[in-house]
Amino acid sequence: DTGVSQDPRHKITKRGQNVTFRCDPISEHNRLYWYRQTLGQGPEFLTYFQNEAQLEKSRLLSDRFSAERPKGSFSTLEIQRTEQGDSAMYLCASSLVRQGFDEQYFGPGTRLTVT
Amino acid sequence: AQSVTQLDSQVPVFEEAPVELRCNYSSSVSVYLFWYVQYPNQGLQLLLKYLSGSTLVKGINGFEAEFNKSQTSFHLRKPSVHISDTAEYFCAVLREYGNKLVFGAGTILRVKS
Repeated sequence: DTGVSQDPRHKITKRGQNVTFRCDPISEHNRLYWYRQTLGQGPEFLTYFQNEAQLEKSRLLSDRFSAERPKGSFSTLEIQRTEQGDSAMYLCASSLVRQGFDEQYFGPGTRLTVT
Repeated sequence: AQSVTQLDSQVPVFEEAPVELRCNYSSSVSVYLFWYVQYPNQGLQLLLKYLSGSTLVKGINGFEAEFNKSQTSFHLRKPSVHISDTAEYFCAVLREYGNKLVFGAGTILRVKS
């Protein structure tokens, strides 16, 4: 049984560089979520996909952020021209939508440090 | 919109003592309620959830929580903690038929020997 996996687990980058993270959901899960967790805070919703369609984006997701789920399986989150404020843990979750309830399973996260 | 307030940022407790982590929420619609645990440098693990029915829910690792609609609370309890329970705990809500979890800021539980 494989859970949600994320790659890389840690990323250190210099300000202004682009970074891309990958999330592999639990197979057959049709929803995939991205959250961001900064130090001392709970995770905050960024965006989610149902299959390959991106259905909602938070206003936290600036123009420098883009997420894709091209075939409805894995997803990537790209941050362009990184800033120090982007330093955070990026969490991915997946779920199988059932009537009225949507239990989300989280991956281990990618910790981004922008220097 | 929903919001979650975790009333304690840190809770120190001795091993084998009972503990309660407090959570209050605000919502104008029905919600589901969750507690997650996060160990250092790891993702979130679901401890327990309240969807409907009995207001006392039991989860993994001996934790339980009680949903109180009139108080809009969902406090987490454990009668006897272990060193291994040291972690950060997050309370979260999900609007019924909604799709995004709204989390509190977290409570760090420190169990001392």
